[in-house]
Amino acid sequence: AQSVTQLGSHVSVSEGALVLLRCNYSSSVPPYLFWYVQYPNQGLQLLLKYTTGATLVKGINGFEAEFKKSETSFHLTKPSAHMSDAAEYFCAVSPPGGSNYKLTFGKGTLLTVNP
Amino acid sequence: KAGVTQTPRYLIKTRGQQVTLSCSPISGHRSVSWYQQTPGQGLQFLFEYFSETQRNKGNFPGRFSGRQFSNSRSEMNVSTLELGDSALYLCASSWSGTDAEQYFGPGTRLTVT
Repeated sequence: AQSVTQLGSHVSVSEGALVLLRCNYSSSVPPYLFWYVQYPNQGLQLLLKYTTGATLVKGINGFEAEFKKSETSFHLTKPSAHMSDAAEYFCAVSPPGGSNYKLTFGKGTLLTVNP
Repeated sequence: KAGVTQTPRYLIKTRGQQVTLSCSPISGHRSVSWYQQTPGQGLQFLFEYFSETQRNKGNFPGRFSGRQFSNSRSEMNVSTLELGDSALYLCASSWSGTDAEQYFGPGTRLTVT
């Protein structure tokens, strides 16, 4: 079975600082990988996804993530945090073969941005 | 283009009752997935429907069921509610469900008392 581990349930950064949210997955075959963001009382919004090809993926709102097969990681970064980035972030994987309708999510990381 | 809509947004039920939640996908999307989100278990896959057929199901008891209509709208039903069913229920739609981006609705917050 696939699993996703997000290191750190809560990350706090200062405005303008680097954001680094960690995600590791376990899968016998490299899956498709996703980062979603959830603002309070809202659903999930896709930030970025990796399917095949370039391992450095750029997403919305200045976020990017790099797929590292050897480390089974897909960490999310943003060079400079903004107050509006405060939200909960979820890493997710889909089964090999790309059946995106069945996502396995990590437990989430709550990002706090301090002024 | 309108997004995924879910009704109702908030619901309070009593243990033992049953509840039906509704999800209207983005126009043209034929796949609808349902997820349960709780503080303890996080986001868990319930089931997915495509063209009125359930294609996959998560590890939930039979009290959780769903269906999809010919217009792709989907409902999920929970019978004999338990306190542990209190959660945010999210649905997501996509064009085909495979290799396609999922768009999530705002969710239905179910509270069981």
